[in-house]
Amino acid sequence: TQLLEQSPQFLSIQEGENLTVYCNSSSVFSSLQWYRQEPGEGPVLLVTVVTGGEVKKLKRLTFQFGDARKDSSLHITAAQPGDTGLYLCAGDPSNTGKLIFGQGTTLQVKP
Amino acid sequence: KAGVTQTPRYLIKTRGQQVTLSCSPISGHRSVSWYQQTPGQGLQFLFEYFSETQRNKGNFPGRFSGRQFSNSRSEMNVSTLELGDSALYLCASSLTAGPYNEQFFGPGTRLTVL
Repeated sequence: TQLLEQSPQFLSIQEGENLTVYCNSSSVFSSLQWYRQEPGEGPVLLVTVVTGGEVKKLKRLTFQFGDARKDSSLHITAAQPGDTGLYLCAGDPSNTGKLIFGQGTTLQVKP
Repeated sequence: KAGVTQTPRYLIKTRGQQVTLSCSPISGHRSVSWYQQTPGQGLQFLFEYFSETQRNKGNFPGRFSGRQFSNSRSEMNVSTLELGDSALYLCASSLTAGPYNEQFFGPGTRLTVL
């Protein structure tokens, strides 16, 4: 059983479209992180959300942390081919530095 | 500042062999974590080392072990390799241990077990 469930698992869209990726859990997290991983590379941290209801923006990417701190979402506006990659959410349920990752969402943006 | 480096980048072994992977953290970082990434299971935590001591351990068999040296460099070892050990092994470093420390990942070592 995955502690963090991501959906969808795969997404193939055209350049310019909008999309949302979801990360859900039945557990409460003190914070959640979003990473992007490109082929042949390790994950790169995009953002950490800490406060319930928090919204953070990173250019065309908007991250939201649920009020109950059990879920998060990543919304991309006007996707570009450079957004292609594997998006991962992660959290530390035991607050010890041991990160648990969702299964990931593979995003392909076609020009 | 150089990023996290992992060696080797690619490795092919046969069942029953053992393997040692190396990770050099970002200069000044004292915590190193290891993860296994497979298509089926995703990214799973293996263990974390800080000041040469293992702080956290994931749910992996004892065939998986690691250590950290005084210069913070870390190695992980897998003995008696199985086909299912084929994976991308990622190392991540952070300034210190514990929660809320940003982890910086290396490019990984791709291990194939035949």
